[in-house]
Amino acid sequence: GEDVEQSLFLSVREGDSSVINCTYTDSSSTYLYWYKQEPGAGLQLLTYIFSNMDMKQDQRLTVLLNKKDKHLSLRIADTQTGDSAIYFCALISGGYNKLIFGAGTRLAVHP
Amino acid sequence: ETGVTQSPTHLIKTRGQQVTLRCSSQSGHNTVSWYQQALGQGPQFIFQYYREEENGRGNFPPRFSGLQFPNYSSELNVNALELDDSALYLCASSLANTGNTEAFFGQGTRLTVV
Repeated sequence: GEDVEQSLFLSVREGDSSVINCTYTDSSSTYLYWYKQEPGAGLQLLTYIFSNMDMKQDQRLTVLLNKKDKHLSLRIADTQTGDSAIYFCALISGGYNKLIFGAGTRLAVHP
Repeated sequence: ETGVTQSPTHLIKTRGQQVTLRCSSQSGHNTVSWYQQALGQGPQFIFQYYREEENGRGNFPPRFSGLQFPNYSSELNVNALELDDSALYLCASSLANTGNTEAFFGQGTRLTVV
């Protein structure tokens, strides 16, 4: 079945770049997503990438996709305390477009 | 704000009871999906509704059921509640028949079963 793996925790200093990594098994996914979840809140769609792209940049966010290695990453430039949250990698699976999520990476930003 | 609203925000139920959770989808969206997020885990797909019919289902027992109404809002019903049903239940709305299923999530309903 489909599987999405993420490292569970990342700690960075304010102003540095953060890189959150994700690996997956289902190579047929057409779209891959990054969601952000703040404490006690729902999921906020941050960005997505189409499977025929290698990179997508959106302001401070850069998504890199390596289809050969089934590896997706999210880089956050100039990380701020407001970026502290849990970040979920997700991909579409199945004919009805269900999302398969990783367990989430908790990003802690310290001064 | 995504325009997806869920009610109630929090709920406490006793084991064996039944619960109904509600979701209003974003304007213009015709597809609603429900996810269960246990503490410390990623969301797990329960099922999806499109044009008032179940359009796909995850690995959840039949006591999890749903409805979609003509205005595309949706309900999730859970019968015979178990302690393990305690979780955050998330509703996501999207527009089917597009290649990119940008799903927008509500704030969730936190269900506690005691």
